[in-house]
Amino acid sequence: KAGVTQTPRYLIKTRGQQVTLSCSPISGHRSVSWYQQTPGQGLQFLFEYFSETQRNKGNFPGRFSGRQFSNSRSEMNVSTLELGDSALYLCASSLGGHQPQHFGDGTRLSIL
Amino acid sequence: AQKITQTQPGMFVQEKEAVTLDCTYDTSDPSYGLFWYKQPSSGEMIFLIYQGSYDQQNATEGRYSLNFQKARKSANLVISASQLGDSAMYFCAMREDQTDSWGKLQFGAGTQVVVTP
Repeated sequence: KAGVTQTPRYLIKTRGQQVTLSCSPISGHRSVSWYQQTPGQGLQFLFEYFSETQRNKGNFPGRFSGRQFSNSRSEMNVSTLELGDSALYLCASSLGGHQPQHFGDGTRLSIL
Repeated sequence: AQKITQTQPGMFVQEKEAVTLDCTYDTSDPSYGLFWYKQPSSGEMIFLIYQGSYDQQNATEGRYSLNFQKARKSANLVISASQLGDSAMYFCAMREDQTDSWGKLQFGAGTQVVVTP
């Protein structure tokens, strides 16, 4: 069974640009969550989607947004990039409920 | 307030020895889940073990076991017979089961484990 797939693996952008990251969950998983990981703040929850609806959102500015498609694939978008947005962005999927989240390999975003 | 506390930033352990990684949590939700993940230097997060707040027995998965002490709000991970491939960062995480929080994990700061020959 294929795992969670995130694309691209690496990305370099400059301040002010915008970026879109993609996540394909494990087949059959309808819940997709996004996390930001930085050395200073650790792992922080961004948002979660279930059946195309955002169910929960972390404490991030409105520049961070996401969506989920009918096939459960999800994208997150960051507009007007700042240096502090440099991070590893991790996507996780699960069957929902009490099932564990399974993570992708992440997208490492660097802002110059 | 910090919901998950991992007090050991790093530790060395000799191959074949057992190691215990500490995790304490804070929640007023009566229903919650506790998870441990492993993150090697390559970056991927690998799910290791899960313990539900209502589970009567401590969870075990192969060489991993979770020492769950509910009254103390403690969920320590025990790795038996350490292997060189166990060298990684280990994260404790909690999910509170209140409505709409199933997809949100709150993570501790992590413990870096280095297994030496």
